[in-house]
Amino acid sequence: QVQLQESGPGLVKPSETLSLTCTVSGGSISSNDWSWIRQPPGKGLEWIAYLYRSGTINYTPSLKSRVTISTDTPKNQFSLKLTSVTAADTAMYFCVRVIRGPWRLDSWGQGILVTVSS
Amino acid sequence: QSVLIQPPSASGTPGQRVTLSCSGSISNMAIYTVNWYQLLPGTAPKLLIYDDNQRPSGVPDRFSGSKSGTSASLAISGLQSEDEADYYCAAWDNLLNGPMFGAGTTLTVL
Repeated sequence: QVQLQESGPGLVKPSETLSLTCTVSGGSISSNDWSWIRQPPGKGLEWIAYLYRSGTINYTPSLKSRVTISTDTPKNQFSLKLTSVTAADTAMYFCVRVIRGPWRLDSWGQGILVTVSS
Repeated sequence: QSVLIQPPSASGTPGQRVTLSCSGSISNMAIYTVNWYQLLPGTAPKLLIYDDNQRPSGVPDRFSGSKSGTSASLAISGLQSEDEADYYCAAWDNLLNGPMFGAGTTLTVL
């Protein structure tokens, strides 16, 4: 059974860069698609980025100019960088495995709360 | 910004059947299947329903999903106190080129 674990700083200063890593166990990141999703406090889920196993990456339009996804295949990890953060980026961040045919987000990490504050 | 419309809240008593609704559009639910997720505080979100009406292994058959056109529903029968959670519908969206979520429904078991 695949397991995902987010890691990174829980506190980021405004205008700085938020950096998170998702470590995958029980499955290879090369064999699946992956996503980052976030949930601001008191709000709903928001898709951030989608990493296809082919290496193609899609970003949600509202964050596209600030987001970068990268992978580290030997470590079985993928990462999220979000630049120029503001308080609006305060959220619980989840890394997720995506299954296609039919699509579904079938395995989620526990999530990591990132607060943007000085 | 959610384009799948869900009522913000719903409630029921133990043993009751409740139905949660989700409304989409031609760019998502009309052409793609719907998933439902359960979010409990302090736990990882859980996939409840995929492909409109399929349950992953381990999900009780008290949970069922359906879809017609651009409207979908999640039904929970034999409501239990542990069902008190937030429920989100989701569908792939052609305009977003990614998954679109509803704003979520908070289910209270009275």
